Parts: sequence; C-alpha cells; structure tokens
Amino acid sequence: SQTIHQWPATLVQPVGSPLSLECTVEGTSNPNLYWYRQAAGRGLQLLFYSVGIGQISSEVPQNLSASRPQDRQFILSSKKLLLSDSGFYLCAWMGSTNSPLHFGNGTRLTVT
Amino acid sequence: QQQVKQSPQSLIVQKGGISIINCAYENTAFDYFPWYQQFPGKGPALLIAIRPDVSEKKEGRFTISFNKSAKQFSLHIMDSQPGDSATYFCAASPTGSYKLIFGSGTRLLVRP
Repeated sequence: SQTIHQWPATLVQPVGSPLSLECTVEGTSNPNLYWYRQAAGRGLQLLFYSVGIGQISSEVPQNLSASRPQDRQFILSSKKLLLSDSGFYLCAWMGSTNSPLHFGNGTRLTVT
Repeated sequence: QQQVKQSPQSLIVQKGGISIINCAYENTAFDYFPWYQQFPGKGPALLIAIRPDVSEKKEGRFTISFNKSAKQFSLHIMDSQPGDSATYFCAASPTGSYKLIFGSGTRLLVRP
C-alpha cells in the first residue's frame, strides 16, 4: 500500500534562517506531488505541484521554493524565513488525474 | 478563477443529529468531487467522493448528494457523533486536471 512520510512534525525557526522540509512517498511510482500551506483555522493553499522529476509549478509567488530530486521525493525550501511563513505545511500525492489526493500529517512551522 | 464555495463556516450539532455541509461550484467542467475530514494537527483524509454520473453516494453514516444542474453538492452526516467533530473540506477536480480546488472548510462540533 502507498504511504506518505513528512518530517519534521514540528519546527521552530528564527526569522532569516533557511528551511528544508522533506516529503517521500512509498508504494507508487511517478506520483503527482503537492505542497500546501494552511494558516491557523484557515483553508488549504496550494503552493507547488510537480508531475515529474525536476518539474515544478508554482501557484503563489512567495518566499519559498520546491524541488523534486527523485521520483518520490519532494522538498520545500526557503533561503530566509519570514514571520509570515509560519503555518501548517502539508505534502500530498495523487496517482492520476481526477483521483484522490492523499495528504501527509503535516509540519507545523513557527517562525519567531 | 475557478472556485468552490462552501457553507457554513462553522456548524454545531447535537449528538444524534444530522450535519449538512453545502458546496457550490462555478462555470467549469468538474468531474470528481471528494470530501475531506481533518482533525486538529493532522492532514486531511479522504472521507467520501462522487463523480457527476451519480446523484448520491452513501458510505455508512456519510452521504454525498450531487445536483449537476444546480452545480451543488453536499455532505450529510447522519447520527452525528462527538468523534465526527473536525473540519470538513469539499473539493472539485476540473476534467483532466492534476489539481483539486478546495472549499474554505467547515468546522463541525458535535455536542454530547
């Protein structure tokens, strides 16, 4: 069966520090991969998605970037964090078009 | 811009009652409509989904009703339980798309 791993679960970082969040998927090949952000008590904002290795689409201009160095690995990065980058970051995968989207358990990022 | 409008924003129901959450979509061809359930600190999990060739789908206490002509779909939770207290998101997937468009979420509280 397919599983998605996301780490760390929580992270506290100072303003101006770099960020690297990693997500891996097991049990499937060539998944579509996604990064979402959820502000406290708010909805799901799509940040990036990828349909293949090295292919990244950005949905919202911001202080973040994403990379997909391997088929089942998706990384969210920032060179210098801002206070506004705080939130709940969710990685997700989808096997094909118009099919279920499966989420990881998220990373709670607090920028201080 | 493609949108999915979800209501109500929050909902309080007594144990044993029926919870109803509504979503409406705009002038776009969508062909997959999932509902997600999210508990605090966790990623959203797929609850139930429907495709537009059926008007209703039931899984246990959860039912999706779909009205294609009105471009509306709703989630009904029968015999609501305190364990159903969570945030619920509706979503819609445009035909042939790798992306889901999410509603803004409904925070459900089921009182004992």
